[in-house]
Order: sequence, then C-alpha cells, then structure tokens
Amino acid sequence: AQSVTQLGSHVSVSEGALVLLRCNYSSSVPPYLFWYVQYPNQGLQLLLKYTTGATLVKGINGFEAEFKKSETSFHLTKPSAHMSDAAEYFCAVRIAGGTSYGKLTFGQGTILTVHP
Amino acid sequence: ETGVTQSPTHLIKTRGQQVTLRCSSQSGHNTVSWYQQALGQGPQFIFQYYREEENGRGNFPPRFSGLQFPNYSSELNVNALELDDSALYLCASSLYLTSGGAVQYFGPGTRLTVT
Repeated sequence: AQSVTQLGSHVSVSEGALVLLRCNYSSSVPPYLFWYVQYPNQGLQLLLKYTTGATLVKGINGFEAEFKKSETSFHLTKPSAHMSDAAEYFCAVRIAGGTSYGKLTFGQGTILTVHP
Repeated sequence: ETGVTQSPTHLIKTRGQQVTLRCSSQSGHNTVSWYQQALGQGPQFIFQYYREEENGRGNFPPRFSGLQFPNYSSELNVNALELDDSALYLCASSLYLTSGGAVQYFGPGTRLTVT
C-alpha cells in the first residue's frame, strides 16, 4: 500500500525567503504525485502534479516540485515566499488500477507560516 | 474556483442520528470521490463512484454509504453518527482515466459536528 510522509508539520519562513516543503512517498509501483494547498475553512486547490515525463514540474503561484525516484521524494519549492503563501500544504500519491482506483493518499500536511 | 459545490456548508448533528451530504460535480466530470478530513489531519479516502457504482473504498465502515446520480451529482450518507465522525467532508470530481492520472478537483467541504 502507498503512503506519504511530510517532514515537518510546521515550516516558518521570512517573506522573500526560499520555501521548501518535504514529501517522501512509499509505493510499490510508479506513482502519480500531487501537491494541494488548503486555505483556512476552504477545500483543496491543486498546485501541481507529476504523472509521467519531465521530473521537474511547475505549478501555479511560482511553486515547483521535482520527482526523484531514487530518493522516493517529491519536495515542493518556491524561490521567494509571499505573505499570501501562508496556508497548509498537502502532498498526495495515487497509483493506477487496483481495487481503490482513484484513491488519493495524503500526507499529514505542513502548515507554512510567512512572516514579514 | 473548481466548479465543485457542496451543501450544506456546516451541519450539527447528535450522536446516533443520520446525515446526508451533497455534492455537485464540475461540468463534464463523471467520477466523484469523498474524503474525510479530521481536524489537524490530511484527508482520508472514503470511496469513489463512477457511472453510479462504487469502484473503490477506503477503510470506512458500511454505515458510510453513497450515491451517484445520472447527472453525476453525489450524496454521502452516514448512519448512526459517532463523535469521531466530526470532520470536514470533502467531495472531489474528476474525469475517469484508465491510467489513473486524472486530477481530482475539490469542493469547499461540509463541516460536520457531532455532539
């Protein structure tokens, strides 16, 4: 069964600093990987996804992530944090086929705080 | 704005009662998934419906059930509510792909409180 580990439940950065949110996954087959963002009292918004092809994926709001199969990682980065990036971020994995088709397995989430 | 809507926004129920949550999928999507997000946790997969049939289920008891209608809207029903059922319930719609690579678009959720 697949699983996701997000290292660090809370990350705090200064405005303009690099954002790095860590995600490691476990899957017996090549996974599909996603990052979602959740603002308070709202649903999840897709930031970016990796399915096949290029391992460096660019998403919305200046975020990007790199799929590293050898490290089973899919870390999320942004060169320069904005105050509006403050939210909770979830990494998720999905595998193709099986009896739980479409099941997204989420990490526990990382709360990003951006201070002036 | 994903085009996925959910109702109601908030709901308070008493332990032992039954509840029905509703979801309207994004136009053109034929698959709907439901997730439970407890406070401070990541969402947990409940089940998925495609062509009005359940085609995937997470580790939830049978008192969690669902329906998908011909217009692809959906309901989540929970019987015999327990205190631990208090959570944000998220609906996500997508277009079925055999590869499994389809993106799921989430609604804003229904906040259920069981007292």
